[in-house]
Amino acid sequence: DQQVKQNSPSLSVQEGRISILNCDYTNSMFDYFLWYKKYPAEGPTFLISISSIKDKNEDGRFTVFLNKSAKHLSLHIVPSQPGDSAVYFCAASGTGNQFYFGTGTSLTVIP
Amino acid sequence: DVKVTQSSRYLVKRTGEKVFLECVQDMDHENMFWYRQDPGLGLRLIYFSYDVKMKEKGDIPEGYSVSREKKERFSLILESASTNQTSMYLCASIKNKGLGYSNQPQHFGDGTRLSIL
Repeated sequence: DQQVKQNSPSLSVQEGRISILNCDYTNSMFDYFLWYKKYPAEGPTFLISISSIKDKNEDGRFTVFLNKSAKHLSLHIVPSQPGDSAVYFCAASGTGNQFYFGTGTSLTVIP
Repeated sequence: DVKVTQSSRYLVKRTGEKVFLECVQDMDHENMFWYRQDPGLGLRLIYFSYDVKMKEKGDIPEGYSVSREKKERFSLILESASTNQTSMYLCASIKNKGLGYSNQPQHFGDGTRLSIL
């Protein structure tokens, strides 16, 4: 059963506007959450993360928000740029040996 | 900077062949992983290894095996390739820092696009 879900397979945003990518999880034991960015024919690259003791983490144009009670996290990209067009995966881990990935959201930033 | 290198970017093989995918990391990481990525299914864990000669099955191990003879190298083996194993294969590694991974990300290779004809 999918423990990490990204319910939007795709998202289109105008350049300069905000992109909001969403992710839900089911396992309350997860305590570390990550976003990866993936271009076609390349491996995922780490973008930003957040631990469960925080509700927000910011890195330049990228901010991740965590709502533990709703088991929901989101990635905000402001302002969006054409180079941000990629597939974004959210992932989660706990005290075990695995990372659990969502199915990805394909972001297209329109110039 | 961590480097995870997968031996082939693109590979074409025939049904029934034995296929080897190789992955090498240069940062002395204990843990290594093999995933496959398919459209609409995200990254699914095939196998992982937490030490030399140690391995554990992931979510979709059927039709695959792995080998970890040296710490830096983790091989994925398709014993008898089938068309439903056509996919993007991704290798990742991470250092073991005790309980869980202590809030650090995995590092991925560039992937191998495998086509089975």
